[in-house]
Amino acid sequence: EVQLVESGGGLVQPGESLRLSCAASGFTVSTNYMTWVRQSPGKGLEWISVIYSGGNTYYRNSVRGRFTISRDSSKNTLYLQMNSLGPEDTAVYYCTGGGPYLYFQNWGQGTLVTVSS
Amino acid sequence: QTVVTQEPSLTVSPGGTVTLTCASSTGAVTSGYYPNWFQQKPGQAPRALIYSTSNKHSWTPVRFSGSLLGGKAALTLSGVQPEDEAEYYCLLYYGGGQHWVFGGGTKLTVL
Repeated sequence: EVQLVESGGGLVQPGESLRLSCAASGFTVSTNYMTWVRQSPGKGLEWISVIYSGGNTYYRNSVRGRFTISRDSSKNTLYLQMNSLGPEDTAVYYCTGGGPYLYFQNWGQGTLVTVSS
Repeated sequence: QTVVTQEPSLTVSPGGTVTLTCASSTGAVTSGYYPNWFQQKPGQAPRALIYSTSNKHSWTPVRFSGSLLGGKAALTLSGVQPEDEAEYYCLLYYGGGQHWVFGGGTKLTVL
């Protein structure tokens, strides 16, 4: 059974940093297409970033230069390093992943990030 | 700024049929946009339903089907059940910087 478990969320002040983790079981992060998606309170889903199995990465415009997606094969874990956080980054962050075409097959339960002074 | 548009809300009677659509501000949606559809219930993570326009995941009920309709991606529910009441999101692929863009979601009420 595939499980993705996010962690690392919490309350931070504007301008601070946070690193989210997504630990996988029954699933290999490094050989799959892994994505971070977020959802602000009461709002819709928003695509944030992807890392391909080959290592290429892409980001939505509003986070490029502030967020970094990465993975650790030895820990079978996906990360999202978030710097210079602002109130607009307040959201539940989900990791999702899958194989070719099944890119969003598996989802974690999400972790809440709150940016507030 | 690419915008993906869905109906904000739809209402359907139990046992009825409803079609949700997903339009792109760039023009007609084709299979090259690899439309995905997700269901989200309150307090839960999204659940994948459809990938690459019309392909179902192993858990997707038979009553859900995906297609292209009139230049849009479409999700049709036939024989709607009360448990289908949820928010539905489409997702389209644009490549490049934007890569993927979600629609704003459709709140489906079964009444």
